[in-house]
Amino acid sequence: GAGVSQSPRYKVAKRGQDVALRCDPISGHVSLFWYQQALGQGPEFLTYFQNEAQLDKSGLPSDRFFAERPEGSVSTLKIQRTQQEDSAVYLCASRQDAGGSEKLFFGSGTQLSVL
Amino acid sequence: AQTVTQSQPEMSVQEAETVTLSCTYDTSESDYYLFWYKQPPSRQMILVIRQEAYKQQNATENRFSVNFQKAAKSFSLKISDSQLGDAAMYFCATFEAGNMLTFGGGTRLMVKP
Repeated sequence: GAGVSQSPRYKVAKRGQDVALRCDPISGHVSLFWYQQALGQGPEFLTYFQNEAQLDKSGLPSDRFFAERPEGSVSTLKIQRTQQEDSAVYLCASRQDAGGSEKLFFGSGTQLSVL
Repeated sequence: AQTVTQSQPEMSVQEAETVTLSCTYDTSESDYYLFWYKQPPSRQMILVIRQEAYKQQNATENRFSVNFQKAAKSFSLKISDSQLGDAAMYFCATFEAGNMLTFGGGTRLMVKP
């Protein structure tokens, strides 16, 4: 596709519900990242994929957070038993190559509100 | 761990004037990269400018330039001839060995007509 696409754009969940956030990276991009951006703050790293392999998940805040990229393209970030502190914008980014400082392309994020 | 600090939560500039956004960082690496990203209300992070730490020459992209002071670990962004479309959140970020960007807390830039 022309850019990184994320869906849904907005998600409202009741506390305790499970949610799934989708990221469609740019076609052919090897690397995929998830970031969490709380209101008024900078994005914070959650996890990184190289193709289908999840190489770094050190930023996932709890075991309620789970990410996958089974075929090395589309990725899903799943949050189980959502809590109010999970409310944030979740940004996805992709990069053409596996490493280095090549440009990251960001999506417009999913804004999650947990009531 | 890397840390990036943006000490100005908000800045304001008159249209056509120049504004400088500050950023300091902490790293133990000698080879790294520095970035400024713009985030408009659409939420999409847009790369403004990039600087390689091993290059002494400051990066420039049209109206955007940086003042990179490696010893002081300072990386400020200068926006010349400010335009209304420059109004956004601006984030400074570092990239070291590894694969993640580390972002600062952001500066909200307002442009007055």
